[in-house]
Amino acid sequence: DIQMTQSPPSLSASLGDKVTITCQASQNINKYIAWYQQKPGKAPRQLIRYTSTLVSGTPSRFSGSGSGRDYSFSISNVESEDIASYYCLQYDNLPWTFGGGTKLELK
Amino acid sequence: QVQLQQSGTELVKPASSVKISCKASGYTFTSNYMHWIRQQPGNGLEWIGWIYPGNGNTKYNQKFDGKATLTADKSSSTAYMQLSSLTSEDSAVYFCARWAGYFDYWGQGVMVTVSS
Repeated sequence: DIQMTQSPPSLSASLGDKVTITCQASQNINKYIAWYQQKPGKAPRQLIRYTSTLVSGTPSRFSGSGSGRDYSFSISNVESEDIASYYCLQYDNLPWTFGGGTKLELK
Repeated sequence: QVQLQQSGTELVKPASSVKISCKASGYTFTSNYMHWIRQQPGNGLEWIGWIYPGNGNTKYNQKFDGKATLTADKSSSTAYMQLSSLTSEDSAVYFCARWAGYFDYWGQGVMVTVSS
């Protein structure tokens, strides 16, 4: 199975900050990485697919990049509604595997 | 509009089985893969597997082989997941999610609690 090492596990930011989360895969995943946002008690919501493509409805302050084994996800100008947990998912190889998550909190 | 409506909270005994459902509406049920994802309390997400309702084909995370069985009823546009030989480790929230090149719609989740 491909391991997805996500960091940091938690992140504290002020409104308006830029934050970055990384995921490193245990092998090349050919850009097949997606990023999800999850708020407490809710289902995850997909924000980005195939490394950097924003899905419908995702605000432009969210972005993704990377290749090979190394990927990152950023939020520029953090807003209060962005306070949530974030997960990466590799869907290049079965079984699909998620990163461990990053909890974004307000400073 | 597309909706995935999951069944309600389950409290089940160890060693028993449970079958949870995911009723789809607002689209052609047989045209999209349906995935299942587990979230244990306070933990992250795990991919369980998928079913293609059009032909019943399934693919499982090997970790869930023998634990989860995915089925689909085309007549009622409902996907099911049966979990067997339940232990406390199976206590979790289980989500169904439609794949359209990405997970565009999710069910609300079913909390399964395994306790005697």
